[in-house]
Amino acid sequence: DTEVTQTPKHLVMGMTNKKSLKCEQHMGHRAMYWYKQKAKKPPELMFVYSYEKLSINESVPSRFSPECPNSSLLNLHLHALQPEDSALYLCASSLTGRSNEKLFFGSGTQLSVL
Amino acid sequence: GENVEQHPSTLSVQEGDSAVIKCTYSDSASNYFPWYKQELGKRPQLIIDIRSNVGEKKDQRIAVTLNKTAKHFSLHITETQPEDSAVYFCAPSGGSGGGADGLTFGKGTHLIIQP
Repeated sequence: DTEVTQTPKHLVMGMTNKKSLKCEQHMGHRAMYWYKQKAKKPPELMFVYSYEKLSINESVPSRFSPECPNSSLLNLHLHALQPEDSALYLCASSLTGRSNEKLFFGSGTQLSVL
Repeated sequence: GENVEQHPSTLSVQEGDSAVIKCTYSDSASNYFPWYKQELGKRPQLIIDIRSNVGEKKDQRIAVTLNKTAKHFSLHITETQPEDSAVYFCAPSGGSGGGADGLTFGKGTHLIIQP
C-alpha cells in the first residue's frame, strides 16, 4: 500500500461549524504533514509531525488544530474558520521526516467556508 | 529559510517539442532537488529528484540537471505529450530548512502542451 488516504474529499462548512479532516497511511512512515493549497499556488506547509510529535507549527491560526493519534493517522480539527480558509488541504507523509525524503501526498480535501 | 524562484511561470510548447523549467535557490547547504508534478484536480507527485553528489539524472523522457555553483537546477522534458500538461513544482531542501523543518516549493510552472 503506497497511498495516503484523505477524507472527506469535499467539505462545505459554515463559519460557526466544527469539522475534522482525516488522513491515513500504512506505509510505515513516521512523518506526516498538513499543507494548504490555494488555487494556482504552491502547497504551503502548515504542520509537521515527526514520530508523533509536532515539530513545526508555521504560525498557523489556532482555529486549525492538528492531532496525531498514532504514526498512521493524522487529523486536522477545524473551528470558526473564515471564508479565506477555503482551499485544498493536502496531507503528506515521508519515511522519517528528514529533508531529503520523497513526500507522498493524499488527494486532498477541497474545503469551502461559507 | 530557502528562497526559491522558478521560471517560467507558464510554458506553452508544441507536442513533440522539448520543455525546460528552471529553479533557482538561495541556500548553498541544500542537497536534495526534487520536481513534483500536479495535474489539474490531482495530488502533487514526485517525478524525478537528484542529490548534490550527482550532476544529471535521466528517467526516460524526463531529466534533471544540477548546477550547485550557480545554485540552480532544471527539469527537462523531451518529446512532450498531452499528458505532460500540468503544473510542475521544484522543492530544493536539505539545508537549513526542508523535510521536518519545512519544505519550500517554488511558485510552479504551468506547462501547456499544444496539439
